[in-house]
Amino acid sequence: DIVMTQAPLSVSVTPGESASISCRSSKSLLHSNGITYVYWYLQKPGKSPQLLIYRMSNLASGVPDRFSGSGSETDFTLKISRVEAEDVGIYYCGQLLENPYTFGAGTKLELK
Amino acid sequence: QVQLKESGPGLVQASETLSLTCTVSGFSLTSYHVSWVRQPPGKGLEWMGRIRSGGSTDYNSALKSRLSISRDTSKSQVLLKMNSLQTEDTAIYYCTSPPHYWGQGVMVTVSS
Repeated sequence: DIVMTQAPLSVSVTPGESASISCRSSKSLLHSNGITYVYWYLQKPGKSPQLLIYRMSNLASGVPDRFSGSGSETDFTLKISRVEAEDVGIYYCGQLLENPYTFGAGTKLELK
Repeated sequence: QVQLKESGPGLVQASETLSLTCTVSGFSLTSYHVSWVRQPPGKGLEWMGRIRSGGSTDYNSALKSRLSISRDTSKSQVLLKMNSLQTEDTAIYYCTSPPHYWGQGVMVTVSS
């Protein structure tokens, strides 16, 4: 199985500042079709995960452009610029390249 | 508008079989895959398996011996059955049409 390793496990951010979350996969997530199958989700307290970024760098519909995704074949970053109160929750990276789909352990974002 | 909604018993006895239903709207089960993902209280996400648009299934090897996913296209429903439940199977169970759409989840408690 592909292991997804996130860091840090928690981050505390002052509103208005930026935050970055890293995710590393144990195997390249770059498919031969040129698509990198890494995804970023935010799970707000008591809610289902919501998609933020798909295929490494594409912003999901309705997601503020303060969110961005980047990376290589195995190392990925989610950046949140100008953090707001509504960004609080747990962020997960996930791979949908091969079965079983797997997710990182999550990064909890809190406000200072 | 795409929607997925899980339903099933909130409490199941250990060693018994769990049956959950995911009712979808806004898309056809013959056009999109549907997966089941679970989340133990306070923990991360575990992909359980999926039924593809063509009707074939894939399972997480960790659960394969206990898990069955099927569908009823006439009712737009995906069915999950998992036997030999243990307390460790206590979790919120989500159905999802990855990567974008998730149900609200259903909490299942396994009682010993």
